[in-house]
Amino acid sequence: AQTVTQSQPEMSVQEAETVTLSCTYDTSESDYYLFWYKQPPSRQMILVIRQEAYKQQNATENRFSVNFQKAAKSFSLKISDSQLGDAAMYFCAYRSPSGTYKYIFGTGTRLKVLA
Amino acid sequence: EADIYQTPRYLVIGTGKKITLECSQTMGHDKMYWYQQDPGMELHLIHYSYGVNSTEKGDLSSESTVSRIRTEHFPLTLESARPSHTSQYLCASSVDRAYEQYFGPGTRLTVT
Repeated sequence: AQTVTQSQPEMSVQEAETVTLSCTYDTSESDYYLFWYKQPPSRQMILVIRQEAYKQQNATENRFSVNFQKAAKSFSLKISDSQLGDAAMYFCAYRSPSGTYKYIFGTGTRLKVLA
Repeated sequence: EADIYQTPRYLVIGTGKKITLECSQTMGHDKMYWYQQDPGMELHLIHYSYGVNSTEKGDLSSESTVSRIRTEHFPLTLESARPSHTSQYLCASSVDRAYEQYFGPGTRLTVT
């Protein structure tokens, strides 16, 4: 069975600085999808970024980028030029392209942004 | 923002009451999900649906039940609420071509 591990329960970053959130996963599949979701306090969970395992190029969305290391089964999220609005819980998630259509979530990392 | 709605947003109810949490989406997604999440904690999948008349239990055992009579509607029912059911319930939907899940705003349930 697939598993997703986020080893950092909490991280802090100074406003305008860069922070990296870690995520590792375990799977025997060669094709899959990885996601980072953001859940601000008392607000809706939204997708930050998505990576298809068959793509070697790391996904980027504005200030958010990933470092996808398929062999190491690592999928870290880098937030550049951190803003106060980035403060949230961040969840890493895995999904197989077929089968049960279930998503496997990590335990989350709480990001604090210091002014 | 994704068009997925949950009602009520907040509910405080006494032990033993029957409750139904509503979830609707207007995107035509065939896959829908219910998660239970304590504040600031991980998500636990309690139910999911592949499509109309198709529902499965998730990884976390739950005393709740679900139904999927219409594509856009996926309600969750607790026949007899207990304090242990106090939590936040998140509804989500997805479709194969997009692959990511879209989440509703959640229902925060308190059972007294």
